[in-house]
Amino acid sequence: EAGVTQSPTHLIKTRGQQATLRCSPISGHTSVYWYQQALGLGLQFLLWYDEGEERNRGNFPPRFSGRQFPNYSSELNVNALELEDSALYLCASRVRSQETQYFGPGTRLLVL
Amino acid sequence: AQSVTQLDSQVPVFEEAPVELRCNYSSSVSVYLFWYVQYPNQGLQLLLKYLSGSTLVESINGFEAEFNKSQTSFHLRKPSVHISDTAEYFCAVSGLTGRRALTFGSGTRLQVQP
Repeated sequence: EAGVTQSPTHLIKTRGQQATLRCSPISGHTSVYWYQQALGLGLQFLLWYDEGEERNRGNFPPRFSGRQFPNYSSELNVNALELEDSALYLCASRVRSQETQYFGPGTRLLVL
Repeated sequence: AQSVTQLDSQVPVFEEAPVELRCNYSSSVSVYLFWYVQYPNQGLQLLLKYLSGSTLVESINGFEAEFNKSQTSFHLRKPSVHISDTAEYFCAVSGLTGRRALTFGSGTRLQVQP
């Protein structure tokens, strides 16, 4: 069974640009979570999508947004990039009725 | 609100020695507890979890963790570590209902030396 996949593995952008990160959950998983792992800030919850809708967001500004597609894959968009957005972005998926989240390998975003 | 404290940022240990990585949590509601491991330049892998039942849970690679409700702790232990256990270990909690987003500790870097 394939795990959670994310693309691209690395992304380099400049300040003010937009970044799009993608995530494909494990087959059968309908919930997708996004986390940011920034140096010095640890792992922080960003967004939760379930059944195609945003269900909850963490303490991040609105320029962090995304969506979930009918096949349950998800996209994270970061607008007006700032230097502090440089981080590893991790996607995780979960079966709705179960408690365990499974993580992908992450996308490393570097903002110059 | 929930919070997780991992008391040690780094734990150096010699190969074949025992190790304990400490985790304490705070929550106003019941939680699920997890340990994840992150190898260099990789994502997170689930190591073990406590949902209910026996307070001692084990992983397939020799790690174990014990849930202590009175001390709100979920310490991770291994009786004999290997070089390959060198990684960063994260303790996390999630609520039983609702969004179930994970709240992570700051991580403990386990460095196994020969």
